[in-house]
Amino acid sequence: QKEVEQDPGPLSVPEGAIVSLNCTYSNSAFQYFMWYRQYSRKGPELLMYTYSSGNKEDGRFTAQVDKSSKYISLFIRDSQPSDSATYLCAMTSGGGSARQLTFGSGTQLTVLP
Amino acid sequence: KAGVTQTPRYLIKTRGQQVTLSCSPISGHRSVSWYQQTPGQGLQFLFEYFSETQRNKGNFPGRFSGRQFSNSRSEMNVSTLELGDSALYLCASSPAIGLWNTEAFFGQGTRLTVV
Repeated sequence: QKEVEQDPGPLSVPEGAIVSLNCTYSNSAFQYFMWYRQYSRKGPELLMYTYSSGNKEDGRFTAQVDKSSKYISLFIRDSQPSDSATYLCAMTSGGGSARQLTFGSGTQLTVLP
Repeated sequence: KAGVTQTPRYLIKTRGQQVTLSCSPISGHRSVSWYQQTPGQGLQFLFEYFSETQRNKGNFPGRFSGRQFSNSRSEMNVSTLELGDSALYLCASSPAIGLWNTEAFFGQGTRLTVV
């Protein structure tokens, strides 16, 4: 079993929809959580960065972390065709391994105009 | 502010050869990490360098190595290339404060094809 599980999709939604992307994890030591967006043939772009449990909002994006359930989510409001990409969750523990990220497999999202 | 720069962008090598990839982090960032991305395995951590020292290493064979220079630029080397080494190699730059986690910003990657 992988440490981080992410539904690979593909996920297809109409423009303007609310998108929910999720990851579950098994390592209770994880405490830093990130969401990246990756367009085809490009490097991952950092969208959200959160520490421990709670919510964080940035424009149309909201990240939620529930450490008790080992579950993280990314919500995209008013989705746009330009949001079509692969979304990757990533996480890490603290201390000496703080910068060793473990990634989910990515969810491919298509927003239809 | 310039982003993470990786060179070259594309590379084709023959089995058995070796290759060196380069990464220039964001100015002021002290930590550089390397990842391998393949369709089958996704993004996997190779190693991290901070202040010219390897801090963490992923589960890859010794053919994969790296180093970091005093200006934080980093190189990774793969010797005796195998077909399975074909992948997108990504470099991530972090400001880093000691051992604490900070945001990681990725470059565009080097796409290595081994034939």
